[in-house]
Amino acid sequence: QVQLVQSGAEVKKPGSSVKVSCKASADTFSSYAINWVRQAPGQGLEWMGRIIPVLGLKNYAQTLQGRVTLTADTSTRTAYMELTSLTSEDTAVYYCAPRTGYNSGYFALWGRGTLVTVSS
Amino acid sequence: ELVMTQSPATLSVSPGERATLSCRASQSVGSNLAWYQQKPGQAPRLLIYGASTRASGIPARFSGSGSGTEFTLTISSLQSEDFGVYHCQQYNDWPTFGHGTKVEVK
Repeated sequence: QVQLVQSGAEVKKPGSSVKVSCKASADTFSSYAINWVRQAPGQGLEWMGRIIPVLGLKNYAQTLQGRVTLTADTSTRTAYMELTSLTSEDTAVYYCAPRTGYNSGYFALWGRGTLVTVSS
Repeated sequence: ELVMTQSPATLSVSPGERATLSCRASQSVGSNLAWYQQKPGQAPRLLIYGASTRASGIPARFSGSGSGTEFTLTISSLQSEDFGVYHCQQYNDWPTFGHGTKVEVK
């Protein structure tokens, strides 16, 4: 079973950027598609995008296109999600959710989440 | 974008009772539908995928049904540990989720 460790909580000012990391324990990291999902307080889940590290292939949700960038470092088995031009509406818990297979699918694995608070 | 609509928003159920949760897709997703359970402060936990297949370790009291645009999650006899929020998710296209159904103690 892959273990996932996400970076710690962040507090950011409006207009700034945040970068959240997700480190995987397994050597099979490179065969996973790393998805990112966020959840605003009291709200539902929102898929943000995914990256396939071994291919460098990235797909983003249309609603976040241009503000979100996904990267990955296969040598450290770490995936990153950077979100720019933050507003209060970006206050949320951000989860990484790796899955095997390169098509869209369900998520059996989840990180513990990283709380990002945007406040002046 | 495929929109997922869950109902009801809140379901009040007594322990031991049956709970039925609904999820509707704005267009057909075939059987590409998953259900998750989420408790406060925790990540979602996969319950059902393929509309009706229980994930590993999920008790038999959880069952999923439906295809196309209408789906149901049934919890046959609610246990105390089953209270929480339930989300449906389609993966026929890029993933989209419903807004969740909160199952609370009646």
